[in-house]
Amino acid sequence: GEDVEQSLFLSVREGDSSVINCTYTDSSSTYLYWYKQEPGAGLQLLTYIFSNMDMKQDQRLTVLLNKKDKHLSLRIADTQTGDSAIYFCAERVAGRRALTFGSGTRLQVQP
Amino acid sequence: DGGITQSPKYLFRKEGQNVTLSCEQNLNHDAMYWYRQDPGQGLRLIYYSQIVNDFQKGDIAEGYSVSREKKESFPLTVTSAQKNPTAFYLCASSIPLGQANTEAFFGQGTRLTVV
Repeated sequence: GEDVEQSLFLSVREGDSSVINCTYTDSSSTYLYWYKQEPGAGLQLLTYIFSNMDMKQDQRLTVLLNKKDKHLSLRIADTQTGDSAIYFCAERVAGRRALTFGSGTRLQVQP
Repeated sequence: DGGITQSPKYLFRKEGQNVTLSCEQNLNHDAMYWYRQDPGQGLRLIYYSQIVNDFQKGDIAEGYSVSREKKESFPLTVTSAQKNPTAFYLCASSIPLGQANTEAFFGQGTRLTVV
């Protein structure tokens, strides 16, 4: 089946690390993505990971992939108020014509 | 600059009317997509097109129609048959998903409200 799930809300204090989690069900996922959406705007790609990798780091962002458990996480180090947004994970599955998105996690960063 | 442009940003529709949302891209992408976003439900695929003059229904195509006469343009019509059209609509484009890693680029969205 095709299902991507995320928790709806996360609140952290400025300067702390944020960890946003995502689970997916389709084991034939090839790429997994993290997108950021600011209020009233479209989605912006933050990072992605190929399914044969287990970790990818890009500045403050760290993506961890546990393919056995079908679990993806995004860690944001030193979270800033400008990181407040909705974060979507998405999967690309072989043979499927469009990305499948989770429901999004709203990250609130408190000063 | 290359990108995707959606217009208008806000759109109001009376019940029983059809409305058309515009999506234009100058990224030379073959594939284009329309998603609907409702609070707490993420993005749901309405229609997608892999190439000019071809398009396919997504998961929630009922009450919507599209055309793809030009590579750059993929307009979405919300018809009167769509019973609950109030939502945020997002257009995206990419190279076809069969080609290596494919990032989808998104427009800024159109918020449609039925009045």
